[in-house]
Amino acid sequence: GNSVTQMEGPVTLSEEAFLTINCTYTATGYPSLFWYVQYPGEGLQLLLKATKADDKGSNKGFEATYRKETTSFHLEKGSVQVSDSAVYFCALSISGGSYIPTFGRGTSLIVHP
Amino acid sequence: DAMVIQNPRYQVTQFGKPVTLSCSQTLNHNVMYWYQQKSSQAPKLLFHYYDKDFNNEADTPDNFQSRRPNTSFCFLDIRSPGLGDAAMYLCATSRVTSGATSYEQYFGPGTRLTVT
Repeated sequence: GNSVTQMEGPVTLSEEAFLTINCTYTATGYPSLFWYVQYPGEGLQLLLKATKADDKGSNKGFEATYRKETTSFHLEKGSVQVSDSAVYFCALSISGGSYIPTFGRGTSLIVHP
Repeated sequence: DAMVIQNPRYQVTQFGKPVTLSCSQTLNHNVMYWYQQKSSQAPKLLFHYYDKDFNNEADTPDNFQSRRPNTSFCFLDIRSPGLGDAAMYLCATSRVTSGATSYEQYFGPGTRLTVT
C-alpha cells in the first residue's frame, strides 16, 4: 500500500532559522507529492506540489524536491518567520490511479521571535 | 474567489442530538470529501462522493451519514453524536479526470464540533 512518514514534531526554531521537515514515502504506482499547511483553527491549504521525479515545488519561500531514488520530498525554507508556525502535512496521490490522498501524521512547527 | 465554504464554523450539540454540517463549493469539482480531524492528528477520511457516487470508508461508523444533493453542496449528518465525535470536520474537493497527473485537494475552513 501507500504510506507517508514524516519526522515527529514539534520542530521549534528561532525566527530566520533554516527549516527542514523530512518526508519519505512508499507507493504502489507513480505518486504525485504534496505539502499542505494547516494554520491554527483552519483547514488545510496546499503549499506546494511536484508530479514527477526531480521536480521542485516552491511557494512562499518553501521548497521541496521530488527525489525518486531516496523516495523523499523534504520541505525546506531558508529563513522562517513567526507567521510560519503551523502544522505541515506531507501527502501523496497516485498519478492516473488512486485519487484519495495518503497523508503523513503532520509536523508541528513553532517559530519563536 | 473560488472556494470551499463550511457552515457553521463552530457547532455545539448535545449528546445524542442529531446535527448536520454543511459544505458548499464554487470550484465545480466533481469529488467532495468529508474528514474528521482530532487534535494533533492527521485528517481521517470518513467518506467521499465521486460525482453522485457515494464511497464510504470501511471504518466509518454508521452514525455518520452524508448527502450530496447537487454538485455544489454536501452535508454531513451525525445521527446520535457521542462525546468521542467532538472534533474538527473538514470538507475538501478535488477535480478528478482521467488525464490528470495529480489530484490536489482544496479544503474548507472546517467546523469545530463540541458535544456536551
